Amino acid sequence: EIVLTQSPATLSLSPGERATLSCRANESVKYYLAWYQQKRGQPPRLLISEASNRATGIPARFSGSGFGTDFTLTISSLEPEDFAVYYCQHRVDWRITFGGGTKVEI
Amino acid sequence: QVQLQESGPGLVKPSETLSLTCAVSGASISSSDFYWGWIRQPPGKGLEWIGNIYYTGSTNYSPSLKSRITMSVDTSKSQFSLNLSSVTAADTATYYCARFRKAAAGDVGFDYWGQGRLVSVS
Repeated sequence: EIVLTQSPATLSLSPGERATLSCRANESVKYYLAWYQQKRGQPPRLLISEASNRATGIPARFSGSGFGTDFTLTISSLEPEDFAVYYCQHRVDWRITFGGGTKVEI
Repeated sequence: QVQLQESGPGLVKPSETLSLTCAVSGASISSSDFYWGWIRQPPGKGLEWIGNIYYTGSTNYSPSLKSRITMSVDTSKSQFSLNLSSVTAADTATYYCARFRKAAAGDVGFDYWGQGRLVSVS
């Protein structure tokens, strides 16, 4: 069973700063990893697919990287609307797993 | 514009069956590119995948919930449904329906989501 571990649980930053979020898998998932953003009271929004492909309409300040077991979501310069919870997600053999989430707070 | 909308009771009694429906508009539920899924989120907690269904009726369920889940699809009405039996307080959550898009050599992910339906078991 694939387990996705996100760190840190909470990231306290200021607008304009760089955010680096980690997602680690307990075995290789190749590049099959997605990232989502969830704001309070809203459904998640797809940000990144296949580790590094930005979804339609996602600003360029969001970038994803990694392969195998270690993945990173980077927000180059935080905007006020970026303070939210971020989840990574993987699918293998039609078993879908989400990480526990990282909250990016001011 | 793709839209998904959950509907169903917001309150279910323990041991009964939770039933939700997701209406899809702006996209063909019969497209071979998409699977249709349910994800839930207990209050203040993270996301849990429940299961997916294809337009043919083929299903994939979370192993931890498999014994209690039934999903179905009605292509004529462009909707799909979730039944979760024998519910307990631990099943209290916001239930989301979402579209899962596959790519040629991999996955895109859940690219469209409904607004969610809070279901309380009490």
